[in-house]
Amino acid sequence: LAKTTQPISMDSYEGQEVNITCSHNNIATNDYITWYQQFPSQGPRFIIQGYKTKVTNEVASLFIPADRKSSTLSLPRVSLSDTAVYYCLVGDKMNTGFQKLVFGTGTRLLVSP
Amino acid sequence: AAGVIQSPRHLIKEKRETATLKCYPIPRHDTVYWYQQGPGQDPQFLISFYEKMQSDKGSIPDRFSAQQFSDYHSELNMSSLELGDSALYFCASSSVTEREGYEQYFGPGTRLTVT
Repeated sequence: LAKTTQPISMDSYEGQEVNITCSHNNIATNDYITWYQQFPSQGPRFIIQGYKTKVTNEVASLFIPADRKSSTLSLPRVSLSDTAVYYCLVGDKMNTGFQKLVFGTGTRLLVSP
Repeated sequence: AAGVIQSPRHLIKEKRETATLKCYPIPRHDTVYWYQQGPGQDPQFLISFYEKMQSDKGSIPDRFSAQQFSDYHSELNMSSLELGDSALYFCASSSVTEREGYEQYFGPGTRLTVT
């Protein structure tokens, strides 16, 4: 599984757009990029997954450049309830769900009023 | 929609005691995973089962064992508990057959405190 690097923490204010970048220089051809969100004392929750270019759902957008060595999770207009830890994971799409998730050090996002 | 159920939600045990954690996956999900998350740490994979067979194993101590039953629920058995076993234990489930393999659904966790 490709190793990922994310900022340890980020601060933002309500209503702002937050972009969390993840580096994965050793990403393999078959690897997908997946983001999970975890609130304190709760289990991680799937946010979004992508392979290249841009993916958008009702929660977030995921931007992946052509070289795929990094990715950016974009949260539009964050609210206080978006305060959580965000994990970037890289792995084969089949394996990301069928096999273990390897969590690195996630990004602790703090949203203030 | 039905979610992953874990029981108990909280458990307090003394050192050297045993504990059993239970996990009920989402209906029709055939794969169960166990993760351990210590205080201030990131989740660490312990073990997984697919169709009642162990499919992968992580950093699970020899004092721990797990199995998946015919109804797909799973139990994590922990013996000779140590203070360092105090953590949140998450169960997650996914489905291979329903092609939802890219997403694991996590339960609310069991908070184990060893005193």
